[in-house]
Amino acid sequence: DSGVTQTPKHLITATGQRVTLRCSPRSGDLSVYWYQQSLDQGLQFLIQYYNGEERAKGNILERFSAQQFPDLHSELNLSSLELGDSALYFCASSVGPDQPQHFGDGTRLSIL
Amino acid sequence: GENVEQHPSTLSVQEGDSAVIKCTYSDSASNYFPWYKQELGKGPQLIIDIRSNVGEKKDQRIAVTLNKTAKHFSLHITETQPEDSAVYFCADLNTGTASKLTFGTGTRLQVTL
Repeated sequence: DSGVTQTPKHLITATGQRVTLRCSPRSGDLSVYWYQQSLDQGLQFLIQYYNGEERAKGNILERFSAQQFPDLHSELNLSSLELGDSALYFCASSVGPDQPQHFGDGTRLSIL
Repeated sequence: GENVEQHPSTLSVQEGDSAVIKCTYSDSASNYFPWYKQELGKGPQLIIDIRSNVGEKKDQRIAVTLNKTAKHFSLHITETQPEDSAVYFCADLNTGTASKLTFGTGTRLQVTL
């Protein structure tokens, strides 16, 4: 158990809808990262937050947004969903930006 | 990092044999190299990591070596066991400019009895 908690584990929805994925980092970790894992793209970095502020951005679509709250949990919002958004979404956390990242077990998103 | 190449994509070894997975990175400024193990239905689990000021690191049956000149790093698993069967990912990171891990494409390791 990495200590990173992601909910829900599975999410099934339709095209055009909006979903929110939630992540609770390990106790004491200030950095939260979001990654997408798909069969054709592998593991891709989406966005990072550190102590509530956005720190780095990857190839995150404009339809996607995230935030980190004062209690350090984070949410990833995906809107106007398309079939191609079906993937595993992982959250990771670390003590600081240059420290080892520990991953949760992910949310499997299926778009029908 | 910019790009990480990982080989092989699949690896089958007999129990007790050694397994070696190799990665090559392109960003000369990368200075942190973790390895992750991902089992079915789980997230990537950090198993070992190495920083650029170290050439080799060992933790029981697992070791990682880094050749900065050639921009290569490798994972070595000795005395493999069935529970080592999983997908292994290498990654790199430049801690000075960004915190995003750039992952290799993964190696599916199968340890047979």
